[in-house]
Amino acid sequence: DIQMTQSPSSLSASIGDRVTITCRASQGFSNYLAWYQQKPGRAPRLLINAVFTLQSGVPSRFSGSGSGRDFTLTISSLQPEDVATYYCQAYNSAPFTFGPGTKVNIK
Amino acid sequence: QVQLVESGGGVVQPGRSLRLSCAASGFTFSNYAMHWVRQAPGKGLEWVAVIWYDGSNEDYEDSVRGRFTISRDNSKNTLSLQMNNLRGEDTAVYYCARVPSLIPEAGFDIWGQGTMVVVSS
Repeated sequence: DIQMTQSPSSLSASIGDRVTITCRASQGFSNYLAWYQQKPGRAPRLLINAVFTLQSGVPSRFSGSGSGRDFTLTISSLQPEDVATYYCQAYNSAPFTFGPGTKVNIK
Repeated sequence: QVQLVESGGGVVQPGRSLRLSCAASGFTFSNYAMHWVRQAPGKGLEWVAVIWYDGSNEDYEDSVRGRFTISRDNSKNTLSLQMNNLRGEDTAVYYCARVPSLIPEAGFDIWGQGTMVVVSS
């Protein structure tokens, strides 16, 4: 089974900052990588599919990149509404493992 | 609009059973694979189970395999999760989620609001 790690586990940044979250898989796989945003008390929301495909309605300040074992979610200019926990997920096969999450706060 | 609504959660004693349901609307349910995902209080997301669009295949996370059964009724646009022999570690919010594909290998694009299951004596 693929294991996913994320770093950092939490971060605080200022409005307008560029924020980068890294996700590493225990083994390489093709582009079956998604990113989700979850706000407190809410269901997760799919932000990015297939490593870098932005979902409809997701602001363009969000972007994804990477390949093999290493993937990145970037928020180009942090906004107050981006306060949330972000999860990566490998969905190439079962178990469809999620990373442990990265909590993003405003400094 | 496209929507998933879970129901059936509650408080149950260890060793007992519970059945969760997920009602789908606003899309052709039979064209999509479906998943269950759970989240224990204060913890991260954990994938639980998946079923193919036509119910022909299913798969489970190891800790629930043999205790949980995922099923679907495409005529009623309903996804179910039968949970038997519940344990304390099954306490979580349970979400149903859709993938935009006949088969499971895609990001989960639509999620329900979740239903809480508490396993406690």
